[in-house]
Amino acid sequence: DVKVTQSSRYLVKRTGEKVFLECVQDMDHENMFWYRQDPGLGLRLIYFSYDVKMKEKGDIPEGYSVSREKKERFSLILESASTNQTSMYLCASSRITGRAAFFGQGTRLTVV
Amino acid sequence: QKEVEQNSGPLSVPEGAIASLNCTYSDRGSQSFFWYRQYSGKSPELIMFIYSNGDKEDGRFTAQLNKASQYVSLLIRDSQPSDSATYLCAVQFMEYGNKLVFGAGTILRVKS
Repeated sequence: DVKVTQSSRYLVKRTGEKVFLECVQDMDHENMFWYRQDPGLGLRLIYFSYDVKMKEKGDIPEGYSVSREKKERFSLILESASTNQTSMYLCASSRITGRAAFFGQGTRLTVV
Repeated sequence: QKEVEQNSGPLSVPEGAIASLNCTYSDRGSQSFFWYRQYSGKSPELIMFIYSNGDKEDGRFTAQLNKASQYVSLLIRDSQPSDSATYLCAVQFMEYGNKLVFGAGTILRVKS
């Protein structure tokens, strides 16, 4: 079975904290993605990676960074959390270009 | 024009009817098309993918792709109340490498 696991289901952080969201896939997929999902705005791509140590900005990269040191792990970093980063964060992975992406269970982050 | 557009709905259909969901996309050398279902509070789940023009059927679901007109649709036959969810259209764009872009989703309500 396809498995994408996000480190936390719910997180509450304070404004200004550095936040790490972790995502691990066990399918040997090349591509990994981070999205955030907000009511009325749908899924918006933050960053994606098509190989180890490679990353590409998505549509809303400001305030975020990513790290992919190993093929199976893709981390999203909020350098200094702000209340407007309160959202549902979804990680996904896919095997190669053109193949379906599979999602983790999501992390609901609240910044207070 | 947004890269991937869907009517937000809600689309209401009676149980047993055919639900028709539509999606249009901008021309960015797109090559792969996906439909995801998302229940409230859950992560998106892949239900269909289509790569070439025409129809593709899988059980009660049929995906239709028309690249000349830049639209992809999903038909759900014999709709059930359990089909009530948000349906997300996703397109993988060649122009941006492996970028996977989602529409905002269409809410489907199947009334028994």
